[in-house]
Amino acid sequence: EIVLTQSPATLSLSPGDRATLSCRASQNFGSHLAWYQQKPGQAPRLLIDDASNRATGIPARFSGSVSGTDFTLTISSLEPEDFAVYYCQQRNSWPLTFGGGTKVEMK
Amino acid sequence: EVQLLESGGGLEQPGGSLRLSCAASGFTFNNYAMNWVRQAPGKGLDWVSTISGDGINTFYADSVKGRFTISRDNSKNTLYMEMDSLRVEDTAVYYCARRTISWGGFDVWGQGTLVTVSS
Repeated sequence: EIVLTQSPATLSLSPGDRATLSCRASQNFGSHLAWYQQKPGQAPRLLIDDASNRATGIPARFSGSVSGTDFTLTISSLEPEDFAVYYCQQRNSWPLTFGGGTKVEMK
Repeated sequence: EVQLLESGGGLEQPGGSLRLSCAASGFTFNNYAMNWVRQAPGKGLDWVSTISGDGINTFYADSVKGRFTISRDNSKNTLYMEMDSLRVEDTAVYYCARRTISWGGFDVWGQGTLVTVSS
């Protein structure tokens, strides 16, 4: 099973700040990773697929990258609606697994 | 409009059974693999099961293998999850989600249905 470790658990930032979220995989599996955003009381929303491809309708301030087993989600300039919990997910092998999440909260 | 609508959640005793349904609309249902993902109260996301578009291939998390059965009726555009031998730790919001046509991430989600297992 591929284990995904997200860090930090919580990120305290202000609107306009740059957010950098990390997701480290227990083994190398290429770029088969997705990022999701979840707000309280809502279902998750797909942001990024295949490590760096923005999903339909996702603003350009969201970007993803990969280097080996280290995946990064970057929000270039936080908008008020971006404060939420973010999850990574690998789809390379069964069982599919999610990271534990990073909460981006307002400082 | 592409939409998924879950139903069937509720309160059940340990050892009991429940059947969840997910009605799909706005897209060609049998072209897509479908999934169940759950989220225990205050916890993260937990993948449960996936079924291929034709219903032939199914995949399960070890925690539910042998107790849960995923199925679909493409004539009714509906996904199901039969949950048997329920445990307290199965308590969660259960989401159905569509996988992208290239078997990528989950691009459409339902609103979720709450399953509570308690005596």
